[in-house]
Amino acid sequence: EIVLTQSPGTLSLSPGERATLFCRASQSISSSYLAWYQQKPGQAPRLLIYGASSRATGIPDRFSGSGSGTDFTLTISRLEPEDFTVYYCQQYDNSHLTFGGGTKVEIK
Amino acid sequence: QVQLQESGPGLVKPSETLSLTCAVSGVSISSYYWNWIRQPPGKGLEWIGYTYYTGSSKYNPSLKSRVTTSVDTSRNQFSLELSSVTAADTAVYYCARWSGSWKSFDCWGQGTLVTVSS
Repeated sequence: EIVLTQSPGTLSLSPGERATLFCRASQSISSSYLAWYQQKPGQAPRLLIYGASSRATGIPDRFSGSGSGTDFTLTISRLEPEDFTVYYCQQYDNSHLTFGGGTKVEIK
Repeated sequence: QVQLQESGPGLVKPSETLSLTCAVSGVSISSYYWNWIRQPPGKGLEWIGYTYYTGSSKYNPSLKSRVTTSVDTSRNQFSLELSSVTAADTAVYYCARWSGSWKSFDCWGQGTLVTVSS
């Protein structure tokens, strides 16, 4: 089973700042199978990024993804008030799927 | 517009079987892989498994011995059964559509809280 480790656990930033979230896989995965989700309190997760770097429909361009192999990054270029919430990465490999533990972006 | 809606008992007794259904609207259930994902209160996401209209399925190895899923094409819905539940199975259960093109979950139900307690 591939384990995804997200860091940091909590990121304290101010609106307008840049957020960089990390997702490290326990072994190399195809970029095609790495996705990022945003989850607000009381809501289902929402797909942000698929294929490591492609934005899902309707996702603002301040969200971007990058990475390959074992190291992936989600960047929010300028934090808006609605971006302060929890983010998860997810991978799919050989018909098995795992999520990272999440990163909470909180207001500093 | 694709919509998913979970339904089922909110309270299940320990050792019993948890049963949930996800009604799908706006798309034929025969076109995608359909998944169950859960989230214990205050914790992260755990994939339970997927099912296809042909009956094909794949489950999380940690839950495989207790999970059964099925698809009802006539009602455009799919179901989850989790047997021998304990308090550790208390969670919000989500149904979600797997996008084969995007290799990710592109559509989710709102989730339903299931509590395991006597």
